[in-house]
Amino acid sequence: AQKITQTQPGMFVQEKEAVTLDCTYDTSDQSYGLFWYKQPSSGEMIFLIYQGSYDEQNATEGRYSLNFQKARKSANLVISASQLGDSAMYFCAILDSNYQLIWGAGTKLIIKP
Amino acid sequence: EAQVTQNPRYLITVTGKKLTVTCSQNMNHEYMSWYRQDPGLGLRQIYYSMNVEVTDKGDVPEGYKVSRKEKRNFPLILESPSPNQTSLYFCASSETDLQETQYFGPGTRLLVL
Repeated sequence: AQKITQTQPGMFVQEKEAVTLDCTYDTSDQSYGLFWYKQPSSGEMIFLIYQGSYDEQNATEGRYSLNFQKARKSANLVISASQLGDSAMYFCAILDSNYQLIWGAGTKLIIKP
Repeated sequence: EAQVTQNPRYLITVTGKKLTVTCSQNMNHEYMSWYRQDPGLGLRQIYYSMNVEVTDKGDVPEGYKVSRKEKRNFPLILESPSPNQTSLYFCASSETDLQETQYFGPGTRLLVL
């Protein structure tokens, strides 16, 4: 069965610094997808970035990039030049072969001014 | 505007009183899904639907029912709610190929007394 582990329940980062949010996964599927979502205090879920297991390049979307290390089963999210508005919960998820998204428990990120 | 809507946004009810949370999307998506979010557990999938009249259990289906009579609507039904179903519920939709982003509704906060 697929599993997502986010080992950092919470993080404090100084504004303008880069931040890395950890995500490791466990799957026996050869083909899978990895997602990162942001949930601000208002509650909605916001898609950030997607990485396919066969994508050779790390995915990037603006200030977000995914550090994909397939052999280590790691899909860390990197946010460059953090902003106060980045304070939120961040969730990593894996899409399994049944088209189900399996979610991690999340990391609460707080950006300090 | 492409969106997923849920109603109600907030609901307080009592044990055993049947309730329905509606979910509607205007993007002609085939795939729809319901999640519950609980502190420390992340999002857990309740049910999902690959298309009209096709529904499948997710990770935590007990105590819930769904239906998919039309493509745009995917209501979540609690026949006899219990306090352990107090949670934040999200509906989501996406194209068949889940490499596209999932669009989430704004969430429904449910309190069962």
